[in-house]
Amino acid sequence: NAGVTQTPKFRVLKTGQSMTLLCAQDMNHEYMYWYRQDPGMGLRLIHYSVGEGTTAKGEVPDGYNVSRLKKQNFLLGLESAAPSQTSVYFCASSEPRDRDSYEQYFGPGTRLTVT
Amino acid sequence: GQQLNQSPQSMFIQEGEDVSMNCTSSSIFNTWLWYKQDPGEGPVLLIALYKAGELTSNGRLTAQFGITRKDSFLNISASIPSDVGIYFCAGPTNRGSNYKLTFGKGTLLTVNP
Repeated sequence: NAGVTQTPKFRVLKTGQSMTLLCAQDMNHEYMYWYRQDPGMGLRLIHYSVGEGTTAKGEVPDGYNVSRLKKQNFLLGLESAAPSQTSVYFCASSEPRDRDSYEQYFGPGTRLTVT
Repeated sequence: GQQLNQSPQSMFIQEGEDVSMNCTSSSIFNTWLWYKQDPGEGPVLLIALYKAGELTSNGRLTAQFGITRKDSFLNISASIPSDVGIYFCAGPTNRGSNYKLTFGKGTLLTVNP
């Protein structure tokens, strides 16, 4: 199993450009999450999904959109990139089952720079 | 919203030394998770704790779920260079069916060989 994979690994955008980050998981997990990581800020939740066809806002959703058309994929979109969106983006997944439902498994990350 | 306070923010130690770090919350948790992030990689789950007072080990790592349910501790014994990285604690953001996590800001560990 590959676990959670993310594409691309690196990307440089100019202000105002758009892009989509792809997350895929092969563990058949129901829940998926997008986080951003900035120096000294830890991991902050952008959007999440509790199942195919559903999405919800997290802590810092502004400027991002998401879609979960297939259970194994979770897409994060930036419609008009801004320098403040320069960050490392992580996708994670989890499966709701008993007490270990909070255990999330992360992808390797996408490093995005907006100039 | 809920906040997790991790300390220390960073540590510089010599290989072979033991390490202790902790995480405190303003509210009660029923689950504590500890993650490690290697440079340039995503976080990896190290230890999960589910019961107040629980002590769980994973090799040289030992984590404890505080009795008050508002804190957790992670200890690393006999550190080695590959222990370098950022250690995060995490706990449930709220009770419910979305299973969101709140993360601490991390403890950056540097091990000098």
